[in-house]
Amino acid sequence: QITLRESGPTLVKPTQTLTLTCTFSGFSLTTNGVGVGWIRQPPGKALECLALIYWDDDERYSPSLKSRLTITKDTSKNQVVLTMINMDPVDTGTYYCAHRRKVNREWGTFDYWGQGTLVIVSS
Amino acid sequence: DIVMTQSPDSLAVSLGERATINCKSSQSVLYSSNNKNYLAWYQQKPGQPPKLLIYWASTRESGVPNRFSGSGSGTDFTLTISSLQAEDVAVYYCQQYYGTLLTFGGGTKVEIK
Repeated sequence: QITLRESGPTLVKPTQTLTLTCTFSGFSLTTNGVGVGWIRQPPGKALECLALIYWDDDERYSPSLKSRLTITKDTSKNQVVLTMINMDPVDTGTYYCAHRRKVNREWGTFDYWGQGTLVIVSS
Repeated sequence: DIVMTQSPDSLAVSLGERATINCKSSQSVLYSSNNKNYLAWYQQKPGQPPKLLIYWASTRESGVPNRFSGSGSGTDFTLTISSLQAEDVAVYYCQQYYGTLLTFGGGTKVEIK
C-alpha cells in the first residue's frame, strides 16, 4: 500500500526559505521507473506542478520557479525534500507530494497523493 | 510548458443529468509511438487531495464509477459524468503528462442545480 505524507512549517516569513519533506512508504525511489513530485495549490486556485525527482536522480522543475527550487531524495529514509528560497505571500497554499511510475514501460501520471500541508507566508 | 485550458469554469447540473467538461492542450499530447494520449482527469473535493479518475484520456482508474468517462485525442478532450450524483460535487482538473513537467488545467467546479 502506497502512502505519502508531507511535513514542514505552517508559517514562514517573507524572504525565508521553505523546506518540506515528503515521507513515503509502499515503494522505493531506487526502483526503476519511479518518481515523486511536488504540487502546490493556492487557496481556491488550480494545481501547479513544481518539481519532480526520479529513481535515476533526474530532476525536473517548473521553468518559472526553477531558480528558487531544489528537490532532493534520501532513499535510506524514503524521503523527498523540496526547498524553496525567497518565499513570498503569493506562495501561500497547500503543498502536496505525489507518486508517479512507469506501467508497462510507459510513464503514468500522479496516482497516489499525500494529504497536503498548508504553508502560509506572512510576516 | 504545455498549457491546459478547461471550460467552463463552473457548471450547475440537475441530479441525474449529464455534465460535460472540456479540456484543450496547447500542443498534442498524443504520443505517436504508442498511440496513447497522455491526458488524465482528477476530482478534488474540499479539503482533500486530487483523486485520479481517468488516465490515457479514457481509462478509468480502479474503483471509479462507470458514469465517469473520458474521450478525445490530440489536443481536445472531454470528461463526461453521465448521470450526476450528489457525491460528484467537486472541482475537476485535466492534466497532461506528456511533457517533462506535468501541467494542470484551471479546474471546473461542478455543482447541483
